[in-house]
Amino acid sequence: KAGVTQTPRYLIKTRGQQVTLSCSPISGHRSVSWYQQTPGQGLQFLFEYFSETQRNKGNFPGRFSGRQFSNSRSEMNVSTLELGDSALYLCASSLVSRGPSNEQFFGPGTRLTVL
Amino acid sequence: AQKVTQAQTEISVVEKEDVTLDCVYETRDTTYYLFWYKQPPSGELVFLIRRNSFDEQNEISGRYSWNFQKSTSSFNFTITASQVVDSAVYFCALSEGGSGNTGKLIFGQGTTLQVKP
Repeated sequence: KAGVTQTPRYLIKTRGQQVTLSCSPISGHRSVSWYQQTPGQGLQFLFEYFSETQRNKGNFPGRFSGRQFSNSRSEMNVSTLELGDSALYLCASSLVSRGPSNEQFFGPGTRLTVL
Repeated sequence: AQKVTQAQTEISVVEKEDVTLDCVYETRDTTYYLFWYKQPPSGELVFLIRRNSFDEQNEISGRYSWNFQKSTSSFNFTITASQVVDSAVYFCALSEGGSGNTGKLIFGQGTTLQVKP
């Protein structure tokens, strides 16, 4: 079974631009979560989508948004990029069921550099 | 408040030594899940283990073992006979909620383990 895939793997943008990152979850997984990883703040939860609905949201400004499609693929968008948005953005998927099958499986991440 | 603390920032050991990574958590929920993830230099987080708040049975899996103690809010991870391939950043994480399926993991700051040959 293929793992979580993220595209692109690397991205360089300039301040003020916007960016869209894509995540394809493991087949059959319906929940997709996004995280930002920086040396200073560590791993921080951005948001989680399930059945095309945002179910949970972290403490990030409105410039960070996301969506999920009917095939469970997800995108996140960052508008008006700032230098501090430079980070590794990780996507994770999980199989949501009635049982405790909630371990999250992570993709390789997208390394975003804002100049 | 929900919080995960990994007090050890970096640990360096020589191959074949045993090493324990500490994790202390804070939560007001009575039902929660605890996790350990490994992040090798490639960057991808690898799931190692999940424990729920009602299961304090400790587990050994090969060279890995986990010690979960609710009384001290700790969930420590031990690698026995460490190997160079164990070198990575290890994260402890907390998920709150009855079913645990909230999709939100709260991570500790991570412990960088370096195993020298």
